[in-house]
Amino acid sequence: EVQLVESGGGLVQPGGSLRLSCAASGFTFSSYWMSWVRQAPGKGLEWVANIKQDGSEKYYVDSVKGRFTISRDNAKNSLYLQMNSLRAEDTAVYYCAREYIVATTDAFDIWGQGTMVTVSS
Amino acid sequence: SSELTQDPAVSVALGQTVRITCQGDSLRSYYASWYQQKPGQAPVLVIYGKNNRPSGIPDRFSGSSSGNTASLTITGAQAEDEADYYCNSRDSSGNHHVVFGGGTKLTVL
Repeated sequence: EVQLVESGGGLVQPGGSLRLSCAASGFTFSSYWMSWVRQAPGKGLEWVANIKQDGSEKYYVDSVKGRFTISRDNAKNSLYLQMNSLRAEDTAVYYCAREYIVATTDAFDIWGQGTMVTVSS
Repeated sequence: SSELTQDPAVSVALGQTVRITCQGDSLRSYYASWYQQKPGQAPVLVIYGKNNRPSGIPDRFSGSSSGNTASLTITGAQAEDEADYYCNSRDSSGNHHVVFGGGTKLTVL
């Protein structure tokens, strides 16, 4: 079964750090771009960051640039998001998602169940 | 960066046809993909590319595109189709950024 399972969420104080993990199974992890997408309570989806198959390219939404770092370990079939200098506005459910890219299509075809990150004092 | 605009809310009578739209400059270069999200659940891809449905998605869901506007059409809406729907595409700025629309809440009456 193709599956993504996130972990590492929790309550953290403003300015603190958290590392999210995403374990992939059921597919060749090293063949896909991977992304983190978040959803603040009651709000819409927001793409956060993505990483190329070999980790050589990484992209971030402007609001997290310089604070968040996406990485992957293909030997462990795992995706990570290191979040530093956390702010209240980073409070959200964070989803790990597989990117399906063909020509002019860039879709997220597999999603994890999400992990909640709450930034509050 | 690009933006994608969706109507916040749309309603449809049970069994009728509804179209949900998504507008943005990036759609002149990239196809939109569409996601269904029910409360407390992760999003599910329903349409991608020109008009492709993943396995398990009913054929009442279809997609189309013209100029800077993409549309998701549900033909014969069912009660279980009541959900939030989001579009997304690659950002048109030339990098590998991705952008989502703000979402449309679909109510089936």
